Amino acid sequence: GIQVEQSPPDLILQEGANSTLRCNFSDSVNNLQWFHQNPWGQLINLFYIPSGTKQNGRLSATTVATERYSLLYISSSQTTDSGVYFCAVEGYSGGGADGLTFGKGTHLIIQP
Amino acid sequence: DTAVSQTPKYLVTQMGNDKSIKCEQNLGHDTMYWYKQDSKKFLKIMFSYNNKELIINETVPNRFSPKSPDKAHLNLHINSLELGDSAVYFCASSRTGLSDTIYFGEGSWLTVV
Repeated sequence: GIQVEQSPPDLILQEGANSTLRCNFSDSVNNLQWFHQNPWGQLINLFYIPSGTKQNGRLSATTVATERYSLLYISSSQTTDSGVYFCAVEGYSGGGADGLTFGKGTHLIIQP
Repeated sequence: DTAVSQTPKYLVTQMGNDKSIKCEQNLGHDTMYWYKQDSKKFLKIMFSYNNKELIINETVPNRFSPKSPDKAHLNLHINSLELGDSAVYFCASSRTGLSDTIYFGEGSWLTVV
């Protein structure tokens, strides 16, 4: 099956800093999503981005499908950004309705 | 209104028991899923289901079974619970199951003692 690798695994930053999280995947994808799992365990959709660039406030994401990677940018970090960020993909070979394959996540801690 | 809702949120039960987790989505989606998050926070799909097809991850023990009374509900039944079943179980849904955003419920924390 498709493999998803995220880096870095852990990241500690001061409030106000910017960060870039990376997701590499091993095959062509028809779905790529970024999620934030907050300290209460909720999985929050950030972006649906199988290709291209999107922005939502301080967050933006870029997926270069031909090179099989996606980047999540967080600017002017706030303590509420802390949590685990997951990249998840669905490959074309799955034929649909196979759900997402998740990476192991980046654990982000924003210190005040 | 919560788009994808699960009950119970927390469940503590003894080994050998049978339990169910219920899931409902009010988004009008055709496809629903169950995912398992282990103690290392790794998320893995267990099942995907729409009106026509059930796809089972081959690593899921047959003690786990999804039951769908209608398109808006996908319940998870677990028989003969084992200690290793302790995890967070997430229900999710998507409009078509093909290249669509997948929305997750808030999770059900299962502890087997």
